[in-house]
Order: sequence, then structure tokens, then C-alpha cells
Amino acid sequence: EDKVVQSPLSLVVHEGDTVTLNCSYEVTNFRSLLWYKQEKKAPTFLFMLTSSGIEKKSGRLSSILDKKELFSILNITATQTGDSAVYLCAVGGNMLTFGGGTRLMVKP
Amino acid sequence: GAVVSQHPSRVICKSGTSVKIECRSLDFQATTMFWYRQFPKQSLMLMATSNEGSKATYEQGVEKDKFLINHASLTLSTLTVTSAHPEDSSFYICSAFKGKHDEAFFGQGTRLTVV
Repeated sequence: EDKVVQSPLSLVVHEGDTVTLNCSYEVTNFRSLLWYKQEKKAPTFLFMLTSSGIEKKSGRLSSILDKKELFSILNITATQTGDSAVYLCAVGGNMLTFGGGTRLMVKP
Repeated sequence: GAVVSQHPSRVICKSGTSVKIECRSLDFQATTMFWYRQFPKQSLMLMATSNEGSKATYEQGVEKDKFLINHASLTLSTLTVTSAHPEDSSFYICSAFKGKHDEAFFGQGTRLTVV
């Protein structure tokens, strides 16, 4: 059975802090690992990772995948209150399997 | 990016009635679509995989007679919640992969409230 585990479950930081979110997985037929941000409605896409060791960046967000150790991290630097959301990691094999999410709260 | 449109975004229905939710891929063909359910403060749980032209594949614990899925064309999948009960109240989201090496695109989600 495919399994995706995210940690921490929740996190409270102050603006300007840097956070690292973790995602580990066990899936058959790995195709890709995806990160999403979910606020009040449907998740919005952040990154798709398919190769180990190649960092993807978008502004203050970055992510990297380790296919040997079966995990990925999502970094957010200089956090802002608008970063408050649930961050979901999903691994695509034959279907997308989601982790439980990390609930991030950024305080002013 | 690709667009997946889900309708309605919000629906309130009475117990015992049926509700149909539509998921359309607007600018690509999706032979496979996925239906997820999300309870408050929980992650997305895969309910079923919708396959164009064939029967849906349901995850363990999901009643196929209660959650009817039809994927009649390459751009449309529907989820019908039959004989809805208050415990069916939830957020339902569909998604589809645009291509083999692409990310999954999500519909806007449907918040179902059964009263």
C-alpha cells in the first residue's frame, strides 16, 4: 500500500523565519512528487519533482527530492503571513497519494 | 497551465436525495480522473479512479453503489452521491493528469452539505 508521511503536523512561526517541511514516501511505480498549498479551497500547485538532487525554486520557496532516501523537503524562507496554509505532499505512482499535510501558521 | 473545472462549487441538499458533481478538463483530454474527499482539517483521501469508457476503480471502504462515477467522455467525469446522508457532507475534489510527465490539475472542489 502506498504511503506518504508529512512532518511536522503543524508549525507556528513568526514572519521572517525559515521553515522546512518534510515528506517521506513509500510507493510502487514512483512517477513524481508534488507539493501543493491549500488555503480555503482546492490545492494550488507548487512544485513537481521527478529527479533526485535537483532543487526547484520559486521565489522564497524551494524543494528538493531524494529518491534514494525516499523523501523531499519544502523550504520557505523569510516567511510571510500569507504563507499560512496547509502544505500537501503527494506522490504520483499510478495515482496521487497524499500525505496528511503540514499546517503552517505564520504570525506577524 | 491546464484547467479542470468542477461544478457546482457548493451544494446543500436534503437527506435521501442524490447530488451530481461534474468535473471537466477544459483544454486537454483526460482518460483518467481522480475523485478525492476531504474532511475538515484532514488531507485528501482518494475515493476512486475514473476511467474513460470503463468502470471506475474504487478505494477500499468506498461504496461504489453510493458514489456513482461515470466517465462518459475524455473531458467529463461525474460523481453522483446517491441517497445522501449528513455524514456524506464533505469537500469533494477531482483531479486529472494532463500528461504522463505533468502535474495533476485540480477542480475547484465542491462543498456538499446534507441537511
